[in-house]
Amino acid sequence: DAGVTQSPTHLIKTRGQHVTLRCSPISGHKSVSWYQQVLGQGPQFIFQYYEKEERGRGNFPDRFSARQFPNYSSELNVNALLLGDSALYLCASSLSYREAFFGQGTRLTVV
Amino acid sequence: GIQVEQSPPDLILQEGANSTLRCNFSDSVNNLQWFHQNPWGQLINLFYIPSGTKQNGRLSATTVATERYSLLYISSSQTTDSGVYFCAVEGSIGTYKYIFGTGTRLKVLA
Repeated sequence: DAGVTQSPTHLIKTRGQHVTLRCSPISGHKSVSWYQQVLGQGPQFIFQYYEKEERGRGNFPDRFSARQFPNYSSELNVNALLLGDSALYLCASSLSYREAFFGQGTRLTVV
Repeated sequence: GIQVEQSPPDLILQEGANSTLRCNFSDSVNNLQWFHQNPWGQLINLFYIPSGTKQNGRLSATTVATERYSLLYISSSQTTDSGVYFCAVEGSIGTYKYIFGTGTRLKVLA
């Protein structure tokens, strides 16, 4: 069975640009969450979606947005990229607000 | 919000040694997980353990929810155990997010 898959695995963008990161959850999982992990720290919660509705939002600026599609896959969008947005972005899926399973992440570098 | 503290922050062991990693949290939690982050960044699920004790091979974990801590035991450590271990907790029902500790960086020497 496929786990959580994220694309792309690596990405380099220029300050001010826009980026879209994608996540496909484990089959049957309806909840998707996004986390940002900067170097040397633990992941920080950005968004959680369940059945295509936003159920939770972390302390991130409005430049960050997300959505979930009818097939439960999800996109994370970041506008007007800053150098500080450079991080590993992790997607997690879960069956029912319990155990979360993470993808391999997308490593974003903003130059 | 809930604070999650992990100790020790760094740990160096010889292969074959045992270790105990600790996770303290500041409020009651609904869910708790332990993860191992490999050098490529992937978070590997070790235990989903909001309470009680579980064992999986050389690893075991105990969560005492009433005293707000969880322990991860690694026995007979191997070099492949190296990496960062994270504890993550989810607060009361309805918060919909995991809060991670700062991690324990483990290095196992051959």
